[in-house]
Amino acid sequence: AQTVTQSQPEMSVQEAETVTLSCTYDTSENNYYLFWYKQPPSRQMILVIRQEAYKQQNATENRFSVNFQKAAKSFSLKISDSQLGDTAMYFCAFMKRSAGGTSYGKLTFGQGTILTVHP
Amino acid sequence: DSGVTQTPKHLITATGQRVTLRCSPRSGDLSVYWYQQSLDQGLQFLIQYYNGEERAKGNILERFSAQQFPDLHSELNLSSLELGDSALYFCASSVTPNTGELFFGEGSRLTVL
Repeated sequence: AQTVTQSQPEMSVQEAETVTLSCTYDTSENNYYLFWYKQPPSRQMILVIRQEAYKQQNATENRFSVNFQKAAKSFSLKISDSQLGDTAMYFCAFMKRSAGGTSYGKLTFGQGTILTVHP
Repeated sequence: DSGVTQTPKHLITATGQRVTLRCSPRSGDLSVYWYQQSLDQGLQFLIQYYNGEERAKGNILERFSAQQFPDLHSELNLSSLELGDSALYFCASSVTPNTGELFFGEGSRLTVL
C-alpha cells in the first residue's frame, strides 16, 4: 500500500513571496503519478500540477513548480509570487500507474497543508 | 467550474436513514470516481466506474453502494447511516482512467444527526 505524508499542517507566506510545501511518499511501485491539489474555502478540489514518475524533468505550471526526487520519494511544491487567491488547503496525492497505462483513478492523499497568504 | 455536478450540496439526515448522492460527470468523461473527506480519515477513495462498469474499489463500506448509468451519471447510495458517515463526498470524473487527471465536483456535505 502507498502512503503520502505532508509534515506541515499549516504554512503562511506574505503576498509576492515564495513558499515551498513538502510531501514524501512511500511506495514499491516504479510507475506512478504524483499530484498537488488545492482545496480553497469553496471546498472544490482543483488540480494544481501533475508529475509522471518516469519523467526526470520537474513539472511547471506558471507560478507553480515541483521538486521531484524519485530516489528520496520526495515531491515538494513551490509557489512563486504568492497571491491572496492561493490561500487554500493543499493536498499531495499519489496514483499508481499500471503497466498498461491504466491508473484506475485511485488517488492516495496526504493529510493536507493549510496555506495562508497574508497581504 | 470543473464541469462535474453534484447534488445535493448539503444534506442533513438522521441515523439509520438512507440517502442518495448524485453526480453528473463532465461532458465526454467516461470515468467516475467517489471520494469521502472526513476530519478523522482525510480524503479516501471509495469506488470507480468506467463506462458503466465498476473498475476499482477502495475503502467503501458494505452499507454503501454505487452505480453508473447508461447516460454516465452516477449515484452513491448510503444506507443505515451512522454518525461517523458525516463527511464531504466528492465525485470526480476523467476522460479515461489513463490520464491520471481527475476533475472534482464541489462535493455533497452529509450531516448525520
